[in-house]
Amino acid sequence: SAVISQKPSRDICQRGTSLTIQCQVDSQVTMMFWYRQQPGQSLTLIATANQGSEATYESGFVIDKFPISRPNLTFSTLTVSNMSPEDSSIYLCSVAGQGWNIQYFGAGTRLSVL
Amino acid sequence: AQKITQTQPGMFVQEKEAVTLDCTYDTSDPSYGLFWYKQPSSGEMIFLIYQGSYDQQNATEGRYSLNFQKARKSANLVISASQLGDSAMYFCAMREGVNYGGATNKLIFGTGTLLAVQP
Repeated sequence: SAVISQKPSRDICQRGTSLTIQCQVDSQVTMMFWYRQQPGQSLTLIATANQGSEATYESGFVIDKFPISRPNLTFSTLTVSNMSPEDSSIYLCSVAGQGWNIQYFGAGTRLSVL
Repeated sequence: AQKITQTQPGMFVQEKEAVTLDCTYDTSDPSYGLFWYKQPSSGEMIFLIYQGSYDQQNATEGRYSLNFQKARKSANLVISASQLGDSAMYFCAMREGVNYGGATNKLIFGTGTLLAVQP
């Protein structure tokens, strides 16, 4: 298993601004993912954060809006850029190790955009 | 394309009784994994139980068991002896491929079932 620390746990932001969310894992993991959960909805994968290379984005998500960094095997950031009220969601970091069957999630960041 | 279906938007259960949350899936990959996660109102996603497509026996984890019926493509979660703390949203999820190191490993989630445990 893995202990995942995600910061901030919640934030209220003004439209047009950007927020960077951090995800720190207590052990090296092969794969890190960022998910979005819009109010009352299920989880949708934004991108897979690749160590040392550009993230792999899912259809409907672009790097300019959701830039992701992953400088090492235990840390990743997701930035939500030029925010609008439609970006109000829970953003969750998830990790999986080599050969792991299970993906573990951080506690999430609850973002409200005014 | 892979798909997860949870047909129960909400469920009620009396404390100490058992409850079954339904999940059906669709995939053309013979190798896949099925998951159940619990999401309390706090928003965190808590892993409950995992079933691999090649596992011969149904998975169990404490009060949680997974009723895996491969031919019917169903993976229902059974919670025994419900507790008030079980009240939460429950998500069924699937990943195609097992133990992949370089594949997508992404999870596809169902729409969830909101479980309310009544005293």
